[in-house]
Amino acid sequence: AQSVTQLDSHVSVSEGTPVLLRCNYSSSYSPSLFWYVQHPNKGLQLLLKYTSAATLVKGINGFEAEFKKSETSFHLTKPSAHMSDAAEYFCVVSVPGGYNKLIFGAGTRLAVHP
Amino acid sequence: GAVVSQHPSWVICKSGTSVKIECRSLDFQATTMFWYRQFPKQSLMLMATSNEGSKATYEQGVEKDKFLINHASLTLSTLTVTSAHPEDSSFYICSARAPLGTGELFFGEGSRLTVL
Repeated sequence: AQSVTQLDSHVSVSEGTPVLLRCNYSSSYSPSLFWYVQHPNKGLQLLLKYTSAATLVKGINGFEAEFKKSETSFHLTKPSAHMSDAAEYFCVVSVPGGYNKLIFGAGTRLAVHP
Repeated sequence: GAVVSQHPSWVICKSGTSVKIECRSLDFQATTMFWYRQFPKQSLMLMATSNEGSKATYEQGVEKDKFLINHASLTLSTLTVTSAHPEDSSFYICSARAPLGTGELFFGEGSRLTVL
């Protein structure tokens, strides 16, 4: 069965410092992995996705994630946090099959302080 | 990118009434849409998979008679919360899969339901 575990429910950083949001996955197959961001009372926006191509995936707004099979991890990073990055971030795995169902992690709330 | 629109964005209703939420794919056809529920400060829980022209597939523990899903066209899926109660208050989000070749899911803005 597919699942994802986000290791931190809350992360707090200062503006301009690096961001690291951790995610470990479990999958019986070669997984498709995603990071989505959700701002308050809003829908979800895709940051980036891994689909068995390059292991280092670059996304929007300066975010990137590295797929590490040996560690079953897909951590999200950004070199320098911006105030507008404050939001909820979800690590997501796709269930193989015709419908591409998505299984969401519990989420990590990122706070960015001036 | 593709746009998915939900309506209404928020709704307040009395206990016992039914509420319909619409999910539309504005610039592409979606044979499959998904409905999620999100409780405050929690993750998204998949409720059901909506297939155009056929019955929805519900996840375990989701009452199909409570949450009626209709996918009457390639651009519209509706979720009706029947005989709503305060515990049905939640944020409901739909998503639609992009046309073949990309597979990406696009999400609506969500609909906040408050049942008094």
